[in-house]
Amino acid sequence: QQQVKQSPQSLIVQKGGISIINCAYENTAFDYFPWYQQFPGKGPALLIAIRPDVSEKKEGRFTISFNKSAKQFSLHIMDSQPGDSATYFCAASATDNYGQNFVFGPGTRLSVLP
Amino acid sequence: DTGVSQDPRHKITKRGQNVTFRCDPISEHNRLYWYRQTLGQGPEFLTYFQNEAQLEKSRLLSDRFSAERPKGSFSTLEIQRTEQGDSAMYLCASSLALPLKGPYEQYFGPGTRLTVT
Repeated sequence: QQQVKQSPQSLIVQKGGISIINCAYENTAFDYFPWYQQFPGKGPALLIAIRPDVSEKKEGRFTISFNKSAKQFSLHIMDSQPGDSATYFCAASATDNYGQNFVFGPGTRLSVLP
Repeated sequence: DTGVSQDPRHKITKRGQNVTFRCDPISEHNRLYWYRQTLGQGPEFLTYFQNEAQLEKSRLLSDRFSAERPKGSFSTLEIQRTEQGDSAMYLCASSLALPLKGPYEQYFGPGTRLTVT
């Protein structure tokens, strides 16, 4: 029940296209859902995050869509650029978990072709 | 604000040796987390500190692992009698936890890549 599932495992998109990564969870106590971007040899960097009281959050080219009833959320990268090529992780945490440690998905390797 | 730093960035050690990693969090952050990441996987939670108190440990954290945060600032993670299965990236993250202000964004360091031969 602590697991966060993520798909696809890898994604190839043409420059200017839309990249879509999906995540699903089971634990209804999760109430914070960040997305992280990780380049090889680097630590994960926070991209955008959402709480379940909203269905969508947009920051620049990045949008999170959240479906509370389906327990699913997704990351949309609009106008994908070669510089977006990285591994993306969704994560979840529960506020009532005092430590609020994150449970991460297995990651999606995105390649944006020039 | 220089972000979360970790040292060393890479460590190669022989099986059976002890290793110690250091993490310096963002200066005003009171929470510090350790995660482990193996190739092709997402980070997995190991343990976290609120100031100097270690408040939670994952089942992943065997008895060979110990973490400290003696003055509520930097933290160390020690692995004793390393095994090949310990080879991974060890990530540190920090956050500022204020009462009733959750959830808290976690900021990650660059990680320490451990290779056990």
